[in-house]
Amino acid sequence: DADVTQTPRNRITKTGKRIMLECSQTKGHDRMYWYRQDPGLGLRLIYYSFDVKDINKGEISDGYSVSRQAQAKFSLSLESAIPNQTALYFCATSANDRQIYGYTFGSGTRLTVV
Amino acid sequence: ILNVEQSPQSLHVQEGDSTNFTCSFPSSNFYALHWYRWETAKSPEALFVMTLNGDEKKKGRISATLNTKEGYSYLYIKGSQPEDSATYLCALITGNQFYFGTGTSLTVIP
Repeated sequence: DADVTQTPRNRITKTGKRIMLECSQTKGHDRMYWYRQDPGLGLRLIYYSFDVKDINKGEISDGYSVSRQAQAKFSLSLESAIPNQTALYFCATSANDRQIYGYTFGSGTRLTVV
Repeated sequence: ILNVEQSPQSLHVQEGDSTNFTCSFPSSNFYALHWYRWETAKSPEALFVMTLNGDEKKKGRISATLNTKEGYSYLYIKGSQPEDSATYLCALITGNQFYFGTGTSLTVIP
């Protein structure tokens, strides 16, 4: 099994619908992140969590919310999806010193909002 | 927000050729640079973490160098193989912030 698992892998949804992307990890890491990847842009941070009681906004949090249900689970919600939220979404985890060891990424969720 | 640039954006090489590409970044507030390898439909995987000016790292046929004074890192692949086809991402770390480049997409033609 993958260290970081994202579900679903692909999703098509309609404008205005609420959608949740889920992420679970077996790395035992405290820190979890949601990133978004768009063509021609680098990965951009949406939200991050350093432990179960800690939630922080990233660079592009508007239109998104998150829930850290347990150390191993971190979900991303789009409250009312819009077409410009069509993107590839990555969940990632890290040890506390991510600067040195980097991220462990999931394999991504490709979301299309029509 | 810092600008991390990768060039070229995409690259096609013949199997057996050696190749290299560049990650450029502002040199102020440098803490570390990461290289990731991202195969289509898979997770990006960490290749190298580089922290010191002059660092050279190697993993098999892939190596990387770092120049923090002039703000660039090179990734080299010697004798490219089709399995090297992937997007190579770099990320600049300053303090607690990560800034990703847009990646170089490498296709190795058999």
